[in-house]
Amino acid sequence: SQTIHQWPATLVQPVGSPLSLECTVEGTSNPNLYWYRQAAGRGLQLLFYSVGIGQISSEVPQNLSASRPQDRQFILSSKKLLLSDSGFYLCACPTGGGETQYFGPGTRLLVL
Amino acid sequence: AQSVTQPDIHITVSEGASLELRCNYSYGATPYLFWYVQSPGQGLQLLLKYFSGDTLVQGIKGFEAEFKRSQSSFNLRKPSVHWSDAAEYFCAVGASFQKLVFGTGTRLLVSP
Repeated sequence: SQTIHQWPATLVQPVGSPLSLECTVEGTSNPNLYWYRQAAGRGLQLLFYSVGIGQISSEVPQNLSASRPQDRQFILSSKKLLLSDSGFYLCACPTGGGETQYFGPGTRLLVL
Repeated sequence: AQSVTQPDIHITVSEGASLELRCNYSYGATPYLFWYVQSPGQGLQLLLKYFSGDTLVQGIKGFEAEFKRSQSSFNLRKPSVHWSDAAEYFCAVGASFQKLVFGTGTRLLVSP
């Protein structure tokens, strides 16, 4: 079974600073990968998904971008953070060929 | 478009009492349905899923859920709640490309 790593676990950043969150997956190849965000007191919203290297689909307009430089690496970035970017960011990956998503441990981002 | 409604934001249940968390979905075809649990500060853990077949599905930690197509519902149940069940519970429906559409979540509080 696959393992999802997310780095860092917690991040406090000032408004206007850049952002880079990393997700790496072990135990699978060519997975679909997903970034979800959970804002305080709200449910989870899909931000981006990727079906392969260099292939990114954005679900909602926002201040963030995503990249997939390697098969099992998914990066979430921003050039200038906004207060509204605060939240809990979760990377997800379905089981091999399956419909069930498994989630990484998440990165908690606080923008001040 | 798919959507999920969890009408209860908070629910308080006494330890040992039964629990039912409501979930209604909107989806044009036969849905893939999921319940996830999130303990404070943690990522999401899959409790159970429904793809097809028996409409009563069993999950981990003694949870079960029943798919009712006529009511577009997938309610989560547990006969006897333990204090460790206090968490936030998310219902989700699977969409294209294995994406998940989540409800806003129900926070379960367990009173002694």
